Amino acid sequence: EVQLVQSGAEVKEPGDSLKISCKGSGYTFTNNWIGWVRQMPGKGLEWMGIIYPGDSDTKYSPSFQGQVTISADKSISTAYLRWSSLKASDTAMYYCARSNLWGLDYWGQGTLVTVSS
Amino acid sequence: DFQMTQSPSSLSASVGDRVTITCRASQGISNYLAWYQQKPGKVPKLLIYGASTLQSGVPSRFSGSQSGTDFTLTISSLQPEDVATYYCQKYNSAPHTFGRGTKLELK
Repeated sequence: EVQLVQSGAEVKEPGDSLKISCKGSGYTFTNNWIGWVRQMPGKGLEWMGIIYPGDSDTKYSPSFQGQVTISADKSISTAYLRWSSLKASDTAMYYCARSNLWGLDYWGQGTLVTVSS
Repeated sequence: DFQMTQSPSSLSASVGDRVTITCRASQGISNYLAWYQQKPGKVPKLLIYGASTLQSGVPSRFSGSQSGTDFTLTISSLQPEDVATYYCQKYNSAPHTFGRGTKLELK
């Protein structure tokens, strides 16, 4: 069974750094892209970027380029989304999902990030 | 810049109604178009990929079609459990832009 399990909710202050994770199982992690999607409170889905764990090829949305870093550790089948300096506007639910020729077919449960002073 | 225009932004319909949601791509994307359903407080779910292929387990009342750069999601007979927000997404090349969503409610 394909599963993506994300790390737990985070509460941070502006300026903090943060790295959230997404662990894949039940399929060959290195052979499928993993995407990250943001959903701000009450808003729609925003595609942030994708990574191919096999060679760490990464593509970002222009809206998120330079704002976050997507990485992966194929030895532990885990993808990451990292911020170096959080802002209040980063408060959102973040989803990882397997991305392939048929879209985003399996999703993680989501990680809620709250940034508040 | 690429635009994915989804309409309507909201929709109210009765049980049994035929419901149609559309997405228009500003450039050709072949058939690399997916539709997702997100129920309140839940994780999005893939309904249709390749513009018209139903994901496994999705009820057959859902269908997708394409005419050039215009894409349509149709629910043939609306059920109460279909209340959700629906999103289209293009995935031919990065960025894999989502539409703004269509909130479907029961009348």
